Amino acid sequence: KAGVTQTPRYLIKTRGQQVTLSCSPISGHRSVSWYQQTPGQGLQFLFEYFSETQRNKGNFPGRFSGRQFSNSRSEMNVSTLELGDSALYLCASSHPRDRLGNEQFFGPGTRLTVL
Amino acid sequence: AQTVTQSQPEMSVQEAETVTLSCTYDTSENNYYLFWYKQPPSRQMILVIRQEAYKQQNATENRFSVNFQKAAKSFSLKISDSQLGDTAMYFCALLGGGADGLTFGKGTHLIIQP
Repeated sequence: KAGVTQTPRYLIKTRGQQVTLSCSPISGHRSVSWYQQTPGQGLQFLFEYFSETQRNKGNFPGRFSGRQFSNSRSEMNVSTLELGDSALYLCASSHPRDRLGNEQFFGPGTRLTVL
Repeated sequence: AQTVTQSQPEMSVQEAETVTLSCTYDTSENNYYLFWYKQPPSRQMILVIRQEAYKQQNATENRFSVNFQKAAKSFSLKISDSQLGDTAMYFCALLGGGADGLTFGKGTHLIIQP
């Protein structure tokens, strides 16, 4: 079974631009979560989608948004990029049968650099 | 709000030794899960072990085991017979019933010396 895939793997943008990152979960997984990893703040939860609906959201500004499609693939969008948005963005999928405690399978991440 | 604290930014041990990584947490939830994730230089996050708060028995996965002290809100990871491939960042994480995703600690960089 294929793992979680994320595209692109690396991305360079300039301040003020917007960016869209994509995540394809493991087949059969309907829950997708996004995390931001930076040296300063560590790993922080962005949001979770389940059945095309945002189920939970972390403490990030409205510039960060996401969506999920009917095939469970998810995208996250960051508008008006700032230097501080440079980070590794990780996507994780899990099976919804028992959400609490289910293993979250992580993708390889997208490394975003904002210049 | 949930918090996870890892007080050891870096640890280094010799191959084949046993090492324990510390983690303390805080949550107001009654039902929650605790996890240890490994992130090698490839950046791929890998689940090492998990523990349900309601289970008193400590979880074990091969060379990895935890010491879960619920009253003390402590969740340490013991790695026995450490191997060079264990070199990685290790993150302690908490998922609570209210669950705004996983709450991670800052991580411990574990280095296994040959």
